[in-house]
Amino acid sequence: NAGVTQTPKFRILKIGQSMTLQCAQDMNHNYMYWYRQDPGMGLKLIYYSVGAGITDKGEVPNGYNVSRSTTEDFPLRLELAAPSQTSVYFCASSRTSGTPLSYEQYFGPGTRLTVT
Amino acid sequence: QKEVEQNSGPLSVPEGAIASLNCTYSDRGSQSFFWYRQYSGKSPELIMFIYSNGDKEDGRFTAQLNKASQYVSLLIRDSQPSDSATYLCAGKNAGGTSYGKLTFGQGTILTVHP
Repeated sequence: NAGVTQTPKFRILKIGQSMTLQCAQDMNHNYMYWYRQDPGMGLKLIYYSVGAGITDKGEVPNGYNVSRSTTEDFPLRLELAAPSQTSVYFCASSRTSGTPLSYEQYFGPGTRLTVT
Repeated sequence: QKEVEQNSGPLSVPEGAIASLNCTYSDRGSQSFFWYRQYSGKSPELIMFIYSNGDKEDGRFTAQLNKASQYVSLLIRDSQPSDSATYLCAGKNAGGTSYGKLTFGQGTILTVHP
């Protein structure tokens, strides 16, 4: 299993540009998440999904959009990039089947995004 | 009020010492807690998980959970330079629309010096 994969690894955007961060998992997990991590800070939840076709906002959703058409893929769209969106973005997934350990989240390698 | 708070750090300990990382939480309904380790430039990886009151040991790592006092801790015995990383505490949200999600603390940077 590849686990959770993310592309690209690095990206530089100009202010006002748009892009899509790709995330895929091959563990048949129903829950998927997008986080951002600013330097020296913890993880802030942007959006999450509990299954194909179902998404919901996290604590910092402004400036982002998501879709989930399949169990495997959960892309994050940035519209009109701003310097405040400079961060490292992590995608994660979990089985969340009701048992305590099923809430463990598995993380992708991250995308380092700079907006200038 | 942040739901999961970690001792601010950074924490520096000598090699071979015990490193103690602490975390408090405000959601009394939280029942499961996860400790993730994150090396610089890498993604978080799970090292310990606890959901029962008391201690849980795994090699050099011991997680402690006290639900009455709403705190979770991670002890690292015989600390090694390779333990130098950021440690993230996360609690599983109890219910409602937040069901199943984890709330992460801000992390504690640990440095183990030779």
